[in-house]
Amino acid sequence: SFDLTQPPSVSVSPGQTARITCSGDSFPKHYAYWYQQKPGRAPVLIMYKDIERPSGIPERFSGSSSGATVTLTISGVQAEDEADYYCQSADGSSTYFFFGGGTKLTVL
Amino acid sequence: QVQLVESGGGVVQPGRSLRLSCAASGFTFRNSGMHWVRQAPGKGLEWVAVISYDGSQTYLGDSVKGRVTISRDNSKNTLDLQISSLRPEDTAIYYCVKGGGGHCGGGVCFIGPYFDYWGQGVPVTVSS
Repeated sequence: SFDLTQPPSVSVSPGQTARITCSGDSFPKHYAYWYQQKPGRAPVLIMYKDIERPSGIPERFSGSSSGATVTLTISGVQAEDEADYYCQSADGSSTYFFFGGGTKLTVL
Repeated sequence: QVQLVESGGGVVQPGRSLRLSCAASGFTFRNSGMHWVRQAPGKGLEWVAVISYDGSQTYLGDSVKGRVTISRDNSKNTLDLQISSLRPEDTAIYYCVKGGGGHCGGGVCFIGPYFDYWGQGVPVTVSS
């Protein structure tokens, strides 16, 4: 199955920890990738291979994996982290790609 | 730095065709798998199509199979997407995206499993 399930929304206060989950049959066989999208902007890759952070992405962003669920954790959330977050995976041959439905992170 | 600049969007009547283009720079285009990803208004991301480094392999998302052709010109560093029989549900911002995580060896490059650089997107509206 190529379905990835994310909570539609997560809300946290500044300085708290936000956790966004993504569940699917693709895991743990295949890696998860995470993108941040701010209003009116293109998505940005913020996590790859479950736990790897691209250069330039703040250390407060981290990833983890447990069974069929992967989690994006944002520690010490800042107002600028308010955005939509999408998880993504692919089949083993990189011939089919799919996204979760997205999670809107609100910083209260 | 990587730059991906899309063009060709606009308002199109249902049933007509449209060709989107993407001009790439700042990386070795001929070695990279390239994608189109779209986003309907207020909706999530949807993968549309991918093309291999040399154009020999293309794969399409379920919702566009039979209506979409992805192509590239490595001499010009350009990527195209031709969409035919346009439907209102094709209304979206279309992003040109560089594939990430691929690798090359023995003269062959393999498509990676994710997307590492995105263009700013081009809007397409299908409406009569």
